[in-house]
Parts: sequence; structure tokens; C-alpha cells
Amino acid sequence: GAGVSQSPSNKVTEKGKDVELRCDPISGHTALYWYRQSLGQGLEFLIYFQGNSAPDKSGLPSDRFSAERTGGSVSTLTIQRTQQEDSAVYLCASSLGGMADYGYTFGSGTRLTVV
Amino acid sequence: KQEVTQIPAALSVPEGENLVLNCSFTDSAIYNLQWFRQDPGKGLTSLLLIQSSQREQTSGRLNASLDKSSGRSTLYIAASQPGDSATYLCAVRPGGSNYKLTFGKGTLLTVNP
Repeated sequence: GAGVSQSPSNKVTEKGKDVELRCDPISGHTALYWYRQSLGQGLEFLIYFQGNSAPDKSGLPSDRFSAERTGGSVSTLTIQRTQQEDSAVYLCASSLGGMADYGYTFGSGTRLTVV
Repeated sequence: KQEVTQIPAALSVPEGENLVLNCSFTDSAIYNLQWFRQDPGKGLTSLLLIQSSQREQTSGRLNASLDKSSGRSTLYIAASQPGDSATYLCAVRPGGSNYKLTFGKGTLLTVNP
């Protein structure tokens, strides 16, 4: 597609429920990232996918968080048993990757509110 | 560990003024630096990307400079407009095969008509 598409744009969920956030990167971008932006905080790296390599999960805050990328394209971030502190904007980005890296394109984000 | 600092945290200027936003980083071994704009409740829009071998990049009224050895970048906005009001973020990408960006906390810019 022309840009990075994220869905849903807003999600309100009850504490304890599971949620899935979707990211559709720019076609041909091999690298895909998830970041989290909490109120008043900077962007926090969560997870990184590069081609068919094992993902870098070093930023996931707990084992309730997981992500997958199917077919090297669409990615889903899953949060199980949501907690109020999970409320944040979840941003996805993609890039060409490799040495021809021309920067990152971000989606508009999913605003998650846990009530 | 790379740390990125943006000063000031907030800036309010009258329309038409030229202004400079500052970004500093602690580890000069970077691959590139990118400036983003974020409007309230929105995602990030890329403004300018400077590779480590470059000194500056320009786009319209925006000019970004990079002094890698001193760990500094500036974003210069000429003839500011109310539509420039937003949060401006800088992010550095480390060298090597590490693609993770480290972001500053941003500068909230308000341009008053």
C-alpha cells in the first residue's frame, strides 16, 4: 500500500480481555517495528521483524505481549489479559531495511484504552 | 546505552518567527538521524532524514543539521506558521545491523497567530 496501515485506530477494552492490533506495512519493506507511546513518555521500542530472521523481542514489557508477522508482511501485536497500564498508543513502522535504509514510515497508531 | 535529549521541552513563538529545535545524543556511532512531527492524537510524520555522512538536509522551510562528532542535531523552521504547531521528535538509528530507533521525548511547539 501507499503507507503503513494500522487497525483499529481506537480500541477500548475491559481489563483482563485480550486484544489484537494489526499493522500492514508498505509493500516491499522488509523491516517492521512496533513502538508504544504512553502518556507523557517517549516512544518505547517493543519488537522488530527483519525479513525471515527471528524477531528481536527485547522490548516487550511482559510475557502477556506477543507479536507475529505472517508471510513477511502483515503483523499482529497481541496483548493478553490487558491491564490499565497497557493503555497507550501503539505505533507500527516499516522500512526498507538493509544498507538501502531510507528511514522509517510510521502508521497513525492504535490508541488502546483499558478500562 | 544511547540517550537522546531534546531541548526545549516546549516552545511558544509568534507567527513568522524563525526558530531552532535542539536534539543531542550520547553515542556518536549512529547510522542516521530522523526528525518527525506528531500532531495531537496522531501518528508520526517523517520530516527529514540525515545520514551519518551528511551535514544537513532541507525541505521547504525546514533545515536539519547534524554534527555527529559532538552528538548534536538542530531543526530550523523558517517563518513559522500556526500550522507548524505540533510535537517534534528526533530519533537516532544506531550503526551496524541494529535497526532500533532511540527517540527523544520531543519538543512541543506552539505558533501563535
